[in-house]
Amino acid sequence: DGGITQSPKYLFRKEGQNVTLSCEQNLNHDAMYWYRQDPGQGLRLIYYSQIVNDFQKGDIAEGYSVSREKKESFPLTVTSAQKNPTAFYLCASSIAAFSSYEQYFGPGTRLTVT
Amino acid sequence: AQTVTQSQPEMSVQEAETVTLSCTYDTSENNYYLFWYKQPPSRQMILVIRQEAYKQQNATENRFSVNFQKAAKSFSLKISDSQLGDTAMYFCAFMNHNSGNTPLVFGKGTRLSVIA
Repeated sequence: DGGITQSPKYLFRKEGQNVTLSCEQNLNHDAMYWYRQDPGQGLRLIYYSQIVNDFQKGDIAEGYSVSREKKESFPLTVTSAQKNPTAFYLCASSIAAFSSYEQYFGPGTRLTVT
Repeated sequence: AQTVTQSQPEMSVQEAETVTLSCTYDTSENNYYLFWYKQPPSRQMILVIRQEAYKQQNATENRFSVNFQKAAKSFSLKISDSQLGDTAMYFCAFMNHNSGNTPLVFGKGTRLSVIA
């Protein structure tokens, strides 16, 4: 089955620790995205990547970092510099960036930082 | 910057009835795409329907249809014969196509409850 996997589903960390969220896709998509979802806020774009070894900041990139060393993988690191990291994080992919092609979403990771 | 507004934070509908979710957007561009995504309690985002701005005909997918009013910058979603499985958050999204590459812009969502 083709799709996007995110692990783990729930993640707990202490304040001041960096944490990396995993996102893997086997859809052979070039473009991948990370979104943050907070109650009443919709989805906000953190980072996106149009192709391997390239990525761009979205609207709320501060305190986050990404890498795109392989086409299938786009991990997101939430650093200690992110002031309010507790949120639901969604990874998505599409055939190409910024086109009418559908974005496929993973099941998400709920991160709680205390 | 483009904005997407969903003015109904919550709505409810009786099973088998019809409901319409509102969405307005703000853009100065002429060529763009509009989407409705569904997020059920599992939180898995699923594309419901998409509309290209250059197409005058409203998109339809089974029980889901849109009323696209380009001049009014309105893109409402109609769900006919509502089913319990339609209970979800619904997000309207906009993507500009003209002025270079731009990402999806999402509204804040409408929580729809289908009541038996």
